[in-house]
Amino acid sequence: SQQGEEDPQALSIQEGENATMNCSYKTSINNLQWYRQNSGRGLVHLILIRSNEREKHSGRLRVTLDTSKKSSSLLITASRAADTASYFCATDPEGGYRDDKIIFGKGTRLHILP
Amino acid sequence: DSGVTQTPKHLITATGQRVTLRCSPRSGDLSVYWYQQSLDQGLQFLIQYYNGEERAKGNILERFSAQQFPDLHSELNLSSLELGDSALYFCASSSRGTAPNYGYTFGSGTRLTVV
Repeated sequence: SQQGEEDPQALSIQEGENATMNCSYKTSINNLQWYRQNSGRGLVHLILIRSNEREKHSGRLRVTLDTSKKSSSLLITASRAADTASYFCATDPEGGYRDDKIIFGKGTRLHILP
Repeated sequence: DSGVTQTPKHLITATGQRVTLRCSPRSGDLSVYWYQQSLDQGLQFLIQYYNGEERAKGNILERFSAQQFPDLHSELNLSSLELGDSALYFCASSSRGTAPNYGYTFGSGTRLTVV
């Protein structure tokens, strides 16, 4: 079953603009992670935010987490052509130690226009 | 190079056949996860192993099986293949269980085409 849902499904912006993607999820979590996937390639881990954190930064990336609304956002500032990719949120559901799989959403396809 | 090695990169096979996908996790990671990515289904979790033991099972078909060996590499076996099994198969590893979770490291995937 799908835990996270990204919004929008696709986004096109001009180079230099900021890109914002949202993720909503259904159950309580230990942490939420964002990944990038270039076309047909493996996923690359971008950032992890724990359930007791509200905001985290990494370079041009800013992630927020609102556990009361079960939602997260990923902001990429000053976008570049190389940021063109699909972005996935993945949740680590709260639960037993043994079952620690993370659940991916279907992703947001981001296209940076020159 | 992410440190997770998947072979082969591409595989073309006929319906009804059986294939084996191989994954070597990043050095030091004990957990291995398999995911299937198809256009209409997104990334679907298949199965997880931790230090040789099955930990979690997702939407894995009975025709599919996996195992993790003492050297920690893992194999995903797909049998009686159908056209709908065509997809990208990813392996990921993590240090979960032995260290704080810093996220998964993914391999570059195996693209399976069933004809």
